[in-house]
Amino acid sequence: DAGVTQSPTHLIKTRGQHVTLRCSPISGHKSVSWYQQVLGQGPQFIFQYYEKEERGRGNFPDRFSARQFPNYSSELNVNALLLGDSALYLCASSFGGAGSGNEQFFGPGTRLTVL
Amino acid sequence: AQRVTQPEKLLSVFKGAPVELKCNYSYSGSPELFWYVQYSRQRLQLLLRHISRESIKGFTADLNKGETSFHLKKPFAQEEDSAMYYCALKANFNKFYFGSGTKLNVKP
Repeated sequence: DAGVTQSPTHLIKTRGQHVTLRCSPISGHKSVSWYQQVLGQGPQFIFQYYEKEERGRGNFPDRFSARQFPNYSSELNVNALLLGDSALYLCASSFGGAGSGNEQFFGPGTRLTVL
Repeated sequence: AQRVTQPEKLLSVFKGAPVELKCNYSYSGSPELFWYVQYSRQRLQLLLRHISRESIKGFTADLNKGETSFHLKKPFAQEEDSAMYYCALKANFNKFYFGSGTKLNVKP
């Protein structure tokens, strides 16, 4: 198993555009979480999905949305991009919900640059 | 409000010296705390969690609810411990809060 995979690796967009980031969890994992990591800071929680339902949401505007598919892969969508959305976007998967006893495994991230 | 504070951005120690990476949290509920590590060019990975009360790679961390701290300790640092360390809090509704991280540099 290659672990959690994310695509694309890098992405450059301009302000006002829309972006879709993709994540494939480890085989057998049913939960996916998304994080935003701005340079010099720790990851900031955006969403958690388990069994295709949103189970947690961080303090992000409605421009951020996500979904989980029947195969447990996930997409993160960001509309009306702002310069401040430039960051590394991390995906993490776990077997169950992201609770105690369910270790999160992180992907390599997608580096988004907004010009 | 929930918050995780790691006061040191950079911590440099010599090989064999003790190391302590500080983490303080703010949370009104019953906290679940974790330490994550990111080695150079590798992915973020779980190092240890307080509920397991385990020692991983010689590291331990004790949850002190009175001081709202979860400091990471190792008695004898090794060069391979050089990495970025993040303290994280799991709050209700499956939200995770990460600190800003401490870069540990172990010098030979």
